[in-house]
Amino acid sequence: GAVVSQHPSRVICKSGTSVKIECRSLDFQATTMFWYRQFPKQSLMLMATSNEGSKATYEQGVEKDKFLINHASLTLSTLTVTSAHPEDSSFYICSAPTSGGRNEQFFGPGTRLTVL
Amino acid sequence: QQQVKQSPQSLIVQKGGISIINCAYENTAFDYFPWYQQFPGKGPALLIAIRPDVSEKKEGRFTISFNKSAKQFSLHIMDSQPGDSATYFCAASMGTSGSRLTFGEGTQLTVNP
Repeated sequence: GAVVSQHPSRVICKSGTSVKIECRSLDFQATTMFWYRQFPKQSLMLMATSNEGSKATYEQGVEKDKFLINHASLTLSTLTVTSAHPEDSSFYICSAPTSGGRNEQFFGPGTRLTVL
Repeated sequence: QQQVKQSPQSLIVQKGGISIINCAYENTAFDYFPWYQQFPGKGPALLIAIRPDVSEKKEGRFTISFNKSAKQFSLHIMDSQPGDSATYFCAASMGTSGSRLTFGEGTQLTVNP
């Protein structure tokens, strides 16, 4: 299957700081990427759809000014958690669909964010 | 109409047994139904997927059964192994490549040795 990477895998930061998470499609191009957050023992919750060359589409209830998304190239999307607070501590996962009409989506390994 | 309901929430199976996880959906526009396997601290991995033009798809020990009229689909894991212990998510999407996935709530599978 296609490979999606995320960096960093873990990050610990102080309350009030900003954290950037990168999502890369390593062996295919992705005009669209998705960002999810997952709390312990819960399902994945879609936060936003990242679109290459245009603004991201945010799900209802997700603050676009707090979770900044930039999809600058066909292989890279970034999620920046601004002014992070302890309640933002979560597992953040990105996914990217392959092209060709097969609808297959591949997920990154996730980023564990802990805000102190 | 966007929901996908998954059951059971947790499942314990003996080694060698069959694990069965069920999902039901409402939106008849869904046309792609994948299953993902997730280990603790890792991202979900695509396991197997089906489209509504077939009623069953098998890959190794994993089989999806699909009932279009009942709007239900299920994952069967034959000869379950301890290494299969993980959380399994069903999902559904519609349209062309890149469509957003709607996930079920997840099933935590434990296979005892």
